[in-house]
Amino acid sequence: KNEVEQSPQNLTAQEGEFITINCSYSVGISALHWLQQHPGGGIVSLFMLSSGKKKHGRLIATINIQEKHSSLHITASHPRDSAVYICAVYSNTGNQFYFGTGTSLTVIP
Amino acid sequence: DAGVIQSPRHEVTEMGQEVTLRCKPISGHNSLFWYRQTMMRGLELLIYFNNNVPIDDSGMPEDRFSAKMPNASFSTLKIQPSEPRDSAVYFCASREVLTGNTIYFGEGSWLTVV
Repeated sequence: KNEVEQSPQNLTAQEGEFITINCSYSVGISALHWLQQHPGGGIVSLFMLSSGKKKHGRLIATINIQEKHSSLHITASHPRDSAVYICAVYSNTGNQFYFGTGTSLTVIP
Repeated sequence: DAGVIQSPRHEVTEMGQEVTLRCKPISGHNSLFWYRQTMMRGLELLIYFNNNVPIDDSGMPEDRFSAKMPNASFSTLKIQPSEPRDSAVYFCASREVLTGNTIYFGEGSWLTVV
C-alpha cells in the first residue's frame, strides 16, 4: 500500500482548460509538497503546504488535513504546463518523506 | 545565485566501481537532501542533513551507500561498490529552513552502472 496516492496518473487537456490533480495520503504529516518535473528531468518545488490554500500565478494548491487530501489546480492551462506533477508528504512520525508516483500532464495547443 | 549545483551530470561506470556524486547547495541554505529517481520506484528521499548533520538516513538503500556533508557548501553521495540496479537519476536539493519553505533542486546526476 502506498502512503501517497495521486490521481489521475495521466492527464491530457486542451489549452485553456482548468486542471485538477489530486493527492491522498494515509500518514500524519507536518507538510505536503507539490513538485513539478519537466520533460528534461529538472524538478521544481511548487508549493509546501501545512494547511489551507496557496496561490502562485495560475497554480493553486489546497490541503484538507482532516480528510488527508490535497489538490493542485492549474487555471487556463498552457502547453508549457506539460510536466509530471509529484505530491510528497513529510510525516510527523518517523521523519520520513513519502512520494506519490506522479501525474503526467500533457496540454495540447 | 547559481542554484544547486550537482556533478557529474552524467556518469557511466562498470559494476563494482566506486561512484561519487557531488552537490553544492545554495549559499545560506542549511538543509540538504539527496533523492533518487527510477522508473520503477519513482522519487525517493535517501538522506537529508540539517546544518551539516545527517538527520534521517532511513532511505539509504544499503551499506553500499554513504553520504557526507563536511561543510555547509558541499556534500557527497558515494556508492561502493556500484551495481546495475543503482542506475538512476540522483537529485540533490537544498532549503533555508528558517525563512523558506521552498526546496530547490539541482539538475540531477544521471548514473548508469553497466
